[in-house]
Amino acid sequence: EAGVAQSPRYKIIEKRQSVAFWCNPISGHATLYWYQQILGQGPKLLIQFQNNGVVDDSQLPKDRFSAERLKGVDSTLKIQPAKLEDSAVYLCASSIRRRQETQYFGPGTRLLVL
Amino acid sequence: GDSVTQMEGPVTLSEEAFLTINCTYTATGYPSLFWYVQYPGEGLQLLLKATKADDKGSNKGFEATYRKETTSFHLEKGSVQVSDSAVYFCALGNNNDMRFGAGTRLTVKP
Repeated sequence: EAGVAQSPRYKIIEKRQSVAFWCNPISGHATLYWYQQILGQGPKLLIQFQNNGVVDDSQLPKDRFSAERLKGVDSTLKIQPAKLEDSAVYLCASSIRRRQETQYFGPGTRLLVL
Repeated sequence: GDSVTQMEGPVTLSEEAFLTINCTYTATGYPSLFWYVQYPGEGLQLLLKATKADDKGSNKGFEATYRKETTSFHLEKGSVQVSDSAVYFCALGNNNDMRFGAGTRLTVKP
């Protein structure tokens, strides 16, 4: 069974530029998550999709972050414009249905904002 | 609200030493408990889980027992290897939510 795929693995941009990350979850998983992991901390949920609908985006900085999951499969997370404090690893995860179940994580995208 | 508190690191051990990483939780109802491991440059991987009180999760020589009376889910391994060097996260799943601890970095020296 293929795992969660993410791209790119690394990205370096300057502040005020825009960047986009892509995620393809495990086939058949209805729920997809984007997490932000700052160095030395645990993952922080940014947004949760159930199929192609948003379930929870309460911690997403909506003035600069956006995400979509068209057709209920793969997803993109965008930052525009980026700030220095956005430097982090962005993790995508999926689960069969609910957040409290086992989540399967992709390798992450490491973003450095200069 | 629900929360997870885990032992601060970093933890440095010699190969074949005994490992304990403490994790305690606060939650309403009947949460599921997880340990995830993150190797350098990778995402989190599920190490083990337990879904009800007194359950023991185990994998790759690691064990953790869901103790409702002490609200704990401590991770143990009898003999660590260099390849176990990673960051370990305790997590709690409950009420359609998942909370992660801050992580404990383990370094095992030969």
